[in-house]
Amino acid sequence: ETGVTQSPTHLIKTRGQQVTLRCSSQSGHNTVSWYQQALGQGPQFIFQYYREEENGRGNFPPRFSGLQFPNYSSELNVNALELDDSALYLCASRPGRGANTEAFFGQGTRLTVV
Amino acid sequence: GQNIDQPTEMTATEGAIVQINCTYQTSGFNGLFWYQQHAGEAPTFLSYNVLDGLEEKGRFSSFLSRSKGYSYLLLKELQMKDSASYLCAVRPPGRNTGKLIFGQGTTLQVKP
Repeated sequence: ETGVTQSPTHLIKTRGQQVTLRCSSQSGHNTVSWYQQALGQGPQFIFQYYREEENGRGNFPPRFSGLQFPNYSSELNVNALELDDSALYLCASRPGRGANTEAFFGQGTRLTVV
Repeated sequence: GQNIDQPTEMTATEGAIVQINCTYQTSGFNGLFWYQQHAGEAPTFLSYNVLDGLEEKGRFSSFLSRSKGYSYLLLKELQMKDSASYLCAVRPPGRNTGKLIFGQGTTLQVKP
């Protein structure tokens, strides 16, 4: 069992709105990454947080932003939603930044933008 | 550039063996991961390779050839529950070691 929990599980928003997605990392994990997975595609890296600081970002515009809290939980915020933002958003946590540590994924938040 | 290729779909029979291939062209390499993802569920870790060769873990094995930019996942004694998407992912080098570059995934259907 992964121990990574995300909320909400499903969400419907209107184009132009803002959304906040939440993630509780597995106990002892201080590194959290966020991914966007479109239907039929592999996950795309959005960004990573380590000890409350962003320390890596993929090819996503600035309207995708995040936070990590002292308890290592995290939020993903998306402003000015577009139809193409409809996807499964996955959070993954790891116990540190070592290259050989696997990421444990949450079940994701399914966002639909209409 | 970063490019990871996997077949889109595969079909195999219960009890058989199936090999899912993955080729990658990435600017740097710091390990390759295989994940399994059932529909509507989280990806779950299957294997990690950083050196050339075969890693065996029960019914699943993963192979890596860094010089060829090639990996495969081998599933033996297929079971119906193995029907899922299999994701190949490369970790690039650098201080941002959390990033994984995923392929589009291979949907495996196991038939009776």
